[in-house]
Amino acid sequence: DAGITQSPRHKVTETGTPVTLRCHQTENHRYMYWYRQDPGHGLRLIHYSYGVKDTDKGEVSDGYSVSRSKTEDFLLTLESATSSQTSVYFCAISEEDRVRSYNSPLHFGNGTRLTVT
Amino acid sequence: AQTVTQSQPEMSVQEAETVTLSCTYDTSESDYYLFWYKQPPSRQMILVIRQEAYKQQNATENRFSVNFQKAAKSFSLKISDSQLGDAAMYFCAYRSFSNFGNEKLTFGTGTRLTIIP
Repeated sequence: DAGITQSPRHKVTETGTPVTLRCHQTENHRYMYWYRQDPGHGLRLIHYSYGVKDTDKGEVSDGYSVSRSKTEDFLLTLESATSSQTSVYFCAISEEDRVRSYNSPLHFGNGTRLTVT
Repeated sequence: AQTVTQSQPEMSVQEAETVTLSCTYDTSESDYYLFWYKQPPSRQMILVIRQEAYKQQNATENRFSVNFQKAAKSFSLKISDSQLGDAAMYFCAYRSFSNFGNEKLTFGTGTRLTIIP
């Protein structure tokens, strides 16, 4: 168990409101990721982090920001939610131990289903 | 940028039979990793099998095996003796060989597998 917790599990919000999703890990891993999953698109990388205050954009970063002020927490913020951001959001971490990374490159949280009405 | 294509949005197979899910990818890199992930209705992402591009031998994990054709950039997943628990969404994914620890994966759009009792 990689100890990844995403909150909330489900959220419904209105267009134009800010939304923050939280990813919490218990094992002090350096790399953390936010993906979104949509039918017909698979999983697409939004942002990732390679350490405290070190983040970078993925392929679908527009409309999203992230913050990592502590190793264990990686926050994803939608500054002004739009209907196109209705999706399932997954947080993931990767192992830095070479052997464990070989066995499972990414460990995923259970996802947050976000609906923007 | 790398792309991953899964041309079969849905597949079905009789229980105990064999099914093959297709995946093709596009890359200019010579060294990379390929993965198959399974996502059951619980939304959990589970690593099924992985393949290193520098290995000619096809990976196998119990009832799961791959047919890796590097020149054709093809990476299909074969499931033998299909079981009801194999019903899930299956994602093919690509990762560059470099940047160990930074497990940015590029995913295909997924194939939904139904097992017919």
